[in-house]
Amino acid sequence: NAGVTQTPKFQVLKTGQSMTLQCAQDMNHEYMSWYRQDPGMGLRLIHYSVGAGITDQGEVPNGYNVSRSTTEDFPLRLLSAAPSQTSVYFCASKWYGSSGANVLTFGAGSRLTVL
Amino acid sequence: AQTVTQSQPEMSVQEAETVTLSCTYDTSENNYYLFWYKQPPSRQMILVIRQEAYKQQNATENRFSVNFQKAAKSFSLKISDSQLGDTAMYFCAFMKMGGNEKLTFGTGTRLTIIP
Repeated sequence: NAGVTQTPKFQVLKTGQSMTLQCAQDMNHEYMSWYRQDPGMGLRLIHYSVGAGITDQGEVPNGYNVSRSTTEDFPLRLLSAAPSQTSVYFCASKWYGSSGANVLTFGAGSRLTVL
Repeated sequence: AQTVTQSQPEMSVQEAETVTLSCTYDTSENNYYLFWYKQPPSRQMILVIRQEAYKQQNATENRFSVNFQKAAKSFSLKISDSQLGDTAMYFCAFMKMGGNEKLTFGTGTRLTIIP
């Protein structure tokens, strides 16, 4: 298993440009999510999905768009990038529902810089 | 809403010594999970240890153990026989059971193991 794969690992954008951060998992996890990590703030939830066709907002959703057309993929779209979106982005997945194995598996992160 | 507080931004300890990282949280929930994640310079988020709130017994994983005090809402991590590879950022995190599976993170403690 490759686990959770994020691409690209690094990206520099200009203000107003659009881009998509890709996330794919091969563990058949129903639940997928996107977090952003900013200095001194820990990780914050942007959007999440509990299955194909179902998405919902997290703590900091403004400026981001998501869709979930397959179980494996959960892309994060920035439609018009702003400097405030400069951050490290993590995708994470797990089986959905309460259980003893309620553990998120994280991708390696994508560092995005918006100039 | 839940909050997680890590009051030690940075710590350092000599190799082979024991170190304890503090974490407190605030919640009105009764059923939840608590986690410690490690983030080395590679940026990967690695689960260190997990505690279910309904379990009174403190979780242990080899050199890592927790002191879970539910009434005090405290969840400290003890690292015994510290090793150079333990150098990393450590994040405490909270997840409500049966909710949207959101992790609420603290701001992290940067731990340096000194040779």
